[in-house]
Parts: sequence; structure tokens; C-alpha cells
Amino acid sequence: NAGVTQTPKFQVLKTGQSMTLQCAQDMNHNSMYWYRQDPGMGLRLIYYSASEGTTDKGEVPNGYNVSRLNKREFSLRLESAAPSQTSVYFCASSDNIQYFGAGTRLSVL
Amino acid sequence: QKEVEQDPGPLSVPEGAIVSLNCTYSNSAFQYFMWYRQYSRKGPELLMYTYSSGNKEDGRFTAQVDKSSKYISLFIRDSQPSDSATYLCAMSGSSGGSYIPTFGRGTSLIVHP
Repeated sequence: NAGVTQTPKFQVLKTGQSMTLQCAQDMNHNSMYWYRQDPGMGLRLIYYSASEGTTDKGEVPNGYNVSRLNKREFSLRLESAAPSQTSVYFCASSDNIQYFGAGTRLSVL
Repeated sequence: QKEVEQDPGPLSVPEGAIVSLNCTYSNSAFQYFMWYRQYSRKGPELLMYTYSSGNKEDGRFTAQVDKSSKYISLFIRDSQPSDSATYLCAMSGSSGGSYIPTFGRGTSLIVHP
């Protein structure tokens, strides 16, 4: 089993550019999540999807949008990237316990 | 007071030592208690989890939950340099059908040869 797969692994953007981070899980989990992790800040929830067809804001949703494409896939979109969005982004899926992907390292110049 | 408190360390121990990592929490509704290991530049990897209270053992790792004290622990026996990582505790209870965990900030562990 691949578990939770994130693409891309690395990305460099210029301020104002847009991009979509992709996430797919093969564990048949209902819930999926997007986090960002910054030094000294821990994991912060951006958005989550409790089930296919629903999405909700987390702690830090500003500047992001999400799409739950189907049960397997949950994407995170940055419409106009800002330097403050430089971070490591993790996708997770869960039944009652969360399992994480390997992360996407994003730099916004 | 944060909902989950975890000492960031770093905790530095010699190889072979018994390591104790701890978290305290304030929300008595938490039912699931997880420990994740995160190596540098990698994603969090689930180590162990317990439901409700009690102990759970897996090889060199033991997780304990004391709900009366709102305190959880992860013990690592015979620690190895390969155990050097950041350890995150996390806890959750049902919220509208989605178990959104609350994470500690993580404790950095260094096991030196």
C-alpha cells in the first residue's frame, strides 16, 4: 500500500503565482486533511474534509482553497502565492487515526 | 493554557538509555492518544496509538495513558541513534464524525553513540 501520496515533493514559486498541491490516499478513509508545518509553530490545520463532498476550514485557511475531488483525492490550491506561504505542507487521511504523506516543501520568492 | 502541552527539548541521551517522552492535556473528551515520529525533512509517521486509557507495548516502545491525570507518556527502551527524531503526541475525540487531532509541538530527541 502506498498510503498517502503527495505531489510535488518540492516547488518554488514567485509571488503571485498559483499552484495546486495534490494528495491521494488508498486506505479508503473518509476524512482527509491539509496541514502546514513551520519551525516553532507545529502542525497547523488549513482545511479538512470529513467525508466526500464536504470541506471545512481549519485554523489557518486564508489564502488557500481545497477540493475533495472524490473519496481518494483532496487538493490544496494557492491562488496567488505569498512569501508567508513558504512552508512544508502535509496531507493526512484518517479513520480515527491520522496517517500522513511525505510532504511538499514550498518556497515562495 | 494550550490544549496539549509538550516540552520541545531537545532531550539528549546516551545510546541504550530509557527515554521518557510526555504530554499533558486539558480536554477530558479526548479518546484517542497517538504518538508520531518525525525524522528531519520527512512526514510524521504513526508509531503507536491507544484508545481510552491504559498501556500499549510494541517492541522497544511503550505508550501509557493516565486519564485521571490527563498525562500520556511514550517510553523507549534501549534507545538507538536511529531513534533520534522529533516525537509528536496527538489526541482526538469525535467532533461531528471527524476526529480532528490536537497535536503537541513535538519533542526533539537526540540519542548519541
